[in-house]
Amino acid sequence: EAGVTQFPSHSVIEKGQTVTLRCDPISGHDNLYWYRRVMGKEIKFLLHFVKESKQDESGMPNNRFLAERTGGTYSTLKVQPAELEDSGVYFCASSQDQRTSGTDTQYFGPGTRLTVL
Amino acid sequence: AQSVAQPEDQVNVAEGNPLTVKCTYSVSGNPYLFWYVQYPNRGLQFLLKYITGDNLVKGSYGFEAEFNKSQTSFHLKKPSALVSDSALYFCAVRDYDNDMRFGAGTRLTVKP
Repeated sequence: EAGVTQFPSHSVIEKGQTVTLRCDPISGHDNLYWYRRVMGKEIKFLLHFVKESKQDESGMPNNRFLAERTGGTYSTLKVQPAELEDSGVYFCASSQDQRTSGTDTQYFGPGTRLTVL
Repeated sequence: AQSVAQPEDQVNVAEGNPLTVKCTYSVSGNPYLFWYVQYPNRGLQFLLKYITGDNLVKGSYGFEAEFNKSQTSFHLKKPSALVSDSALYFCAVRDYDNDMRFGAGTRLTVKP
C-alpha cells in the first residue's frame, strides 16, 4: 500500500513569492491533516479535512495560507505571499474514518521543507 | 486544551543499554496518547498508542510505553537500544477534534 506522499520535498523561495505544497493521502483515507514544524520547535497542527470539507482550520496562522482538497482526494496548501517566518517543514497526514475502520491512526508523509529567503 | 511536553531535547544512550524518552501530558478527560519517530529525511512514523486498557503498550521496533495516570506520564522505553534507533521522537495527544498536539521532540542518539 502506498503511503502518504508530498511534493515537493524541498522548496526555496523568496519573500513575497507564492508556493503551493501538495499532499496525496493514502487511498481511501477520508481524513487529511496538515502540520508544520518550525525549526527546532514542536509540530503544530494547521488544519483537518474530512473528505473535501474543512473540519478544523483553527491552526492556520493567517490568511496567507489557503488549503484546499477538491474532490476529497489530494490536498494543496498555498502560501501567498510567503514570509520569512513561514520557513519550516510542512507535514501531511491521513487517517481512516474510525467509525467504519475501527482505527484512526494518522500516517504521515515525508514532509516538505520550505525555506523562505 | 490537550498538550504534551517532552522535557529533554536530547537523550544519549550507549548501545545495548535501556533507553527512556520522557513525555508528560495535560488533558481533560481520558487521554489518547501517541509516539511517533522521525528518521533522517523521512516522515513521522507511528510507533504506538494508548487509548484504554493495559498501561503498558507495546509498539514497533521493540519499543513500549507506560501510561501512568498518577504522574500524567507516557514515557517511551526500550530494554536494549540499537544504533539504528537514533532519531527524533515525538509524543502526541489527540485532541477533541481528532487533531494531534505534539511535543517539541527529543533527539535520541545511541552510540556504539
